[in-house]
Amino acid sequence: DSGVTQTPKHLITATGQRVTLRCSPRSGDLSVYWYQQSLDQGLQFLIQYYNGEERAKGNILERFSAQQFPDLHSELNLSSLELGDSALYFCASSADRANKETQYFGPGTRLLVL
Amino acid sequence: AQTVTQSQPEMSVQEAETVTLSCTYDTSENNYYLFWYKQPPSRQMILVIRQEAYKQQNATENRFSVNFQKAAKSFSLKISDSQLGDTAMYFCAFMRGNDMRFGAGTRLTVKP
Repeated sequence: DSGVTQTPKHLITATGQRVTLRCSPRSGDLSVYWYQQSLDQGLQFLIQYYNGEERAKGNILERFSAQQFPDLHSELNLSSLELGDSALYFCASSADRANKETQYFGPGTRLLVL
Repeated sequence: AQTVTQSQPEMSVQEAETVTLSCTYDTSENNYYLFWYKQPPSRQMILVIRQEAYKQQNATENRFSVNFQKAAKSFSLKISDSQLGDTAMYFCAFMRGNDMRFGAGTRLTVKP
């Protein structure tokens, strides 16, 4: 158990809908990262938050957004969902801002868009 | 941009034997971090081992060790005394600043 929690574990929705994925980092970790793992794209970094502020952006679509709250949990919002958004979404956390510390991954949220 | 290449899509090994998974990367940076993550059928991403590029000594964690060749930009993972529970996808990852890149993965099957 990495100490990172993600909810829900599974999510099934329809195209055009909007969903919110939730992540709670390990105790004491200030950085939260979101990743997408799909069959065709592999593991891709989406976005990082540090202590409530956006720190870095990766291959995140404009239809996707995220935020980190004062209690350090984070939410990833996916809107206008398309079939291609079906994937495993991971959250990871680390202690630092400068990305020198190891990232620990949560169990993931499996999203299926029908 | 940093790229990470795992040239072995699939590998298999007999239980108790040793297996080496390959990883190469491309970067012009001098300071960075390298990782091996394991993803078993549960899909959880589990850290196996970490290597700081400024350290010449190869990292070791119990049965897992790496062969880090900085000049060759190579970072292979050696699993000794393979166990059935080692069956998983293994991802090599490169991290520098805000950028973390993963290889495509190697599917390892440990056979009894």
